[in-house]
Amino acid sequence: GAVVSQHPSRVICKSGTSVKIECRSLDFQATTMFWYRQFPKKSLMLMATSNEGSKATYEQGVEKDKFLINHASLTLSTLTVTSAHPEDSSFYICSARGGTGHQPQHFGDGTRLSIL
Amino acid sequence: AQTVTQSQPEMSVQEAETVTLSCTYDTSENNYYLFWYKQPPSRQMILVIRQEAYKQQNATENRFSVNFQKAAKSFSLKISDSQLGDTAMYFCAFMKHETEGKLTFGQGTILTVHP
Repeated sequence: GAVVSQHPSRVICKSGTSVKIECRSLDFQATTMFWYRQFPKKSLMLMATSNEGSKATYEQGVEKDKFLINHASLTLSTLTVTSAHPEDSSFYICSARGGTGHQPQHFGDGTRLSIL
Repeated sequence: AQTVTQSQPEMSVQEAETVTLSCTYDTSENNYYLFWYKQPPSRQMILVIRQEAYKQQNATENRFSVNFQKAAKSFSLKISDSQLGDTAMYFCAFMKHETEGKLTFGQGTILTVHP
């Protein structure tokens, strides 16, 4: 149980392109989804937290107009990197959490984004 | 704000031996949860073990166990009978007892299991 699917796993595109990454909870309803960015051999940096049907809460320093997050249903959240540039190249990971209390976050497999 | 510290950037162990990864945290909360996640070279984050702060008994999952010292704010992970598949980056994480479930991660420890 608690499977999170993230798609695509790898994206290579030209500078200026907008890229959408999907995160789906396959066998549970995700009340909260999280988006992270990770640099090689480093820890996960939380970018934003999203709850279904409401606006995402962005961490300090994360540009909300650059990284658009939509959490339209209890099983789907999307991250759109708008007008991507080489400095946006990174590994992006989503996670989902169903319920409250002791419920842990379950992670997707991540998306490697490379901007040429 | 909470902080989580993993003071061992890299560790190595021989196959079948035991290794302990350290984690300390700082919080003013009394009720919270602690987790160890594993990130193998495939990059997927896998939940290894969790501990609820109000439980005194240390959590155990097969070859993985924790030493939870609440007063010392320490939460170490012991891996027994290490296997090659245990090679990964390990993250310690803290979560307050609240509805949002935001995690605070440590810096990570790269563990290499040698044959």
